[in-house]
Amino acid sequence: GENVEQHPSTLSVQEGDSAVIKCTYSDSASNYFPWYKQELGKRPQLIIDIRSNVGEKKDQRIAVTLNKTAKHFSLHITETQPEDSAVYFCAASPSYNFNKFYFGSGTKLNVKP
Amino acid sequence: DTGVSQNPRHKITKRGQNVTFRCDPISEHNRLYWYRQTLGQGPEFLTYFQNEAQLEKSRLLSDRFSAERPKGSFSTLEIQRTEQGDSAMYLCASSPRSGENQETQYFGPGTRLLVL
Repeated sequence: GENVEQHPSTLSVQEGDSAVIKCTYSDSASNYFPWYKQELGKRPQLIIDIRSNVGEKKDQRIAVTLNKTAKHFSLHITETQPEDSAVYFCAASPSYNFNKFYFGSGTKLNVKP
Repeated sequence: DTGVSQNPRHKITKRGQNVTFRCDPISEHNRLYWYRQTLGQGPEFLTYFQNEAQLEKSRLLSDRFSAERPKGSFSTLEIQRTEQGDSAMYLCASSPRSGENQETQYFGPGTRLLVL
């Protein structure tokens, strides 16, 4: 099955700086990669996703890049704000079973004001 | 709130007791998923339904666990003879039938279970 690894496990940045979270996956058949943000005690919320037919997607301060050859994808947050503080999870979903998400172990992002 | 809802939000039980959780998906979403999340980890897939049919079960779902979605709407997850290792957050998610976002899973707030 798919194995998703996520780094770093914790990340502390100053407000206004950029944050980058990286994930690698093992199954070359994976073709859908969502990112979720989970604040303490709340539900995971989808913030951005990317499909394998594109290499980059951007939504305001958030962007995701995908390198299919190297089997890794990254989340980039620019101009971080204190409200970006949360745990971020990446996930991968194989084309032969897109109902099954394999999640990374999460990155706790702390944005210091 | 028209999102996925789960009840109860918290459950404390004694080892050996049975517990049941409920999930109400987003209206007209035909696929429903259950995940388990332990502290410091990402959600782990347990099972999923398409309409009322349970199409896949993880090896994590032991014989003590059973999930149902009798009418293809809400779902229940029951754990029998709970063990302390069952303590976790149980998350439910749903996906739309078709369209551009059919791969997207929308999560509920979860049920946090503590087994004493």
